[in-house]
Amino acid sequence: QSALTQPASVSGSLGQSVTISCTGSGSDIGAFDFVAWYQQHPGEPPRIVVYDVTTRYMWTSERFSGAKSGNTASLTISGLQDEDEADYYCSSYSRTSTILFGGGTRLNIL
Amino acid sequence: EETLTQAGGGMAQPGGSLTVSCEGSGFTFGAYWMHWVRQVPGKGLVWVARVSPEGRPEYADSVRGRFTASRDNARSTVFLHMNNLRVDDTAVYFCGSYLYIPYHFYMSRWGRGATVTVSS
Repeated sequence: QSALTQPASVSGSLGQSVTISCTGSGSDIGAFDFVAWYQQHPGEPPRIVVYDVTTRYMWTSERFSGAKSGNTASLTISGLQDEDEADYYCSSYSRTSTILFGGGTRLNIL
Repeated sequence: EETLTQAGGGMAQPGGSLTVSCEGSGFTFGAYWMHWVRQVPGKGLVWVARVSPEGRPEYADSVRGRFTASRDNARSTVFLHMNNLRVDDTAVYFCGSYLYIPYHFYMSRWGRGATVTVSS
């Protein structure tokens, strides 16, 4: 059960946009629309941001949007704010009835 | 307010056993799948197991045969019994569930985590 592949870090300036990618395979991201994104600040549990590829959770700002193409999912954050600086993890259900996480991406606000 | 309160964990020697628990409140606990996810400090999230509302567990390959996930709906509590522990099981263990989402592949509520340290 290999983890999904994310970039180790991305950076963006306040007010700009960034996109975080998450690459899997035809057995997970490519097979199902059960992709989620989680935000985690240091010392805190993760917090769901997006599920079902594109659906924002009840507390998620419209600045966050999810997408998927083939075996790759992505999370775009627009209008970057200081509080967006965090680790972001993607997840996907897989054909093995397990849930895979990506390795995580640190978002740095410049 | 929906909350998940974790307990247990601690230290064990390689080959030893530990149990972590997670009590839910503020929601109909018995209606939801419950997940266990672990995280080595400074590293990423790794899914460990999930338990159906009826108590049927599913596991990641890395823990199958060593860990047992179970639940007691009368006590609104899910358990992760960890046997034959290895040094690389050292992590913070989170429980989670998918409130206000139709499918059980996600975690929208998380516990605060329980630390498990395996060392000789």
